[in-house]
Amino acid sequence: ETGVTQSPTHLIKTRGQQVTLRCSSQSGHNTVSWYQQALGQGPQFIFQYYREEENGRGNFPPRFSGLQFPNYSSELNVNALELDDSALYLCASSLGLGVYEQYFGPGTRLTVT
Amino acid sequence: GQQLNQSPQSMFIQEGEDVSMNCTSSSIFNTWLWYKQDPGEGPVLLIALYKAGELTSNGRLTAQFGITRKDSFLNISASIPSDVGIYFCAGQVKSSGDKLTFGTGTRLAVRP
Repeated sequence: ETGVTQSPTHLIKTRGQQVTLRCSSQSGHNTVSWYQQALGQGPQFIFQYYREEENGRGNFPPRFSGLQFPNYSSELNVNALELDDSALYLCASSLGLGVYEQYFGPGTRLTVT
Repeated sequence: GQQLNQSPQSMFIQEGEDVSMNCTSSSIFNTWLWYKQDPGEGPVLLIALYKAGELTSNGRLTAQFGITRKDSFLNISASIPSDVGIYFCAGQVKSSGDKLTFGTGTRLAVRP
């Protein structure tokens, strides 16, 4: 069984640029959630995708957007990067809606300069 | 965004000691989860709790879903060096769908 994978592991971008982060869900999982984890804090929910549709969104501006593909992999896109976007971005997958056990990938460390 | 309050914020452990930590919320939660995160890695699910009063074990770890549904507790018995890391509680409330709200974390370190 393959766990959740994310790419890239690290990324450095300049303020104002755009970034795309990628996630492959654990095999058999059709639901993907994205979280932002600032240094020293717990993860904050960004949004969730189920069968290619957004299913719930946290308090993040519209410049945070996502996609889920037919194979259930997912992308997180962030436009007009700000310094405060520097964080660890975590992807988690689960078996389906209403299944709250979420399994996390290793994360992508984004640094905005 | 909202975060659950965890205590203690940090603690030192000596091998063989038992460890206790808790997580509290002003809201009622339907599900409580406990995760452990090592530096540079994603959180790893330890235990999931679904009913008020439920007590669940995973090896040396035992977690409880508080009766008020506003808190949860995690105990680690006979700690070992690899228990070092950050422990997060996470809660799910029905009105927020599958979104998990995470705690502020409890950092376990080895006593020098």
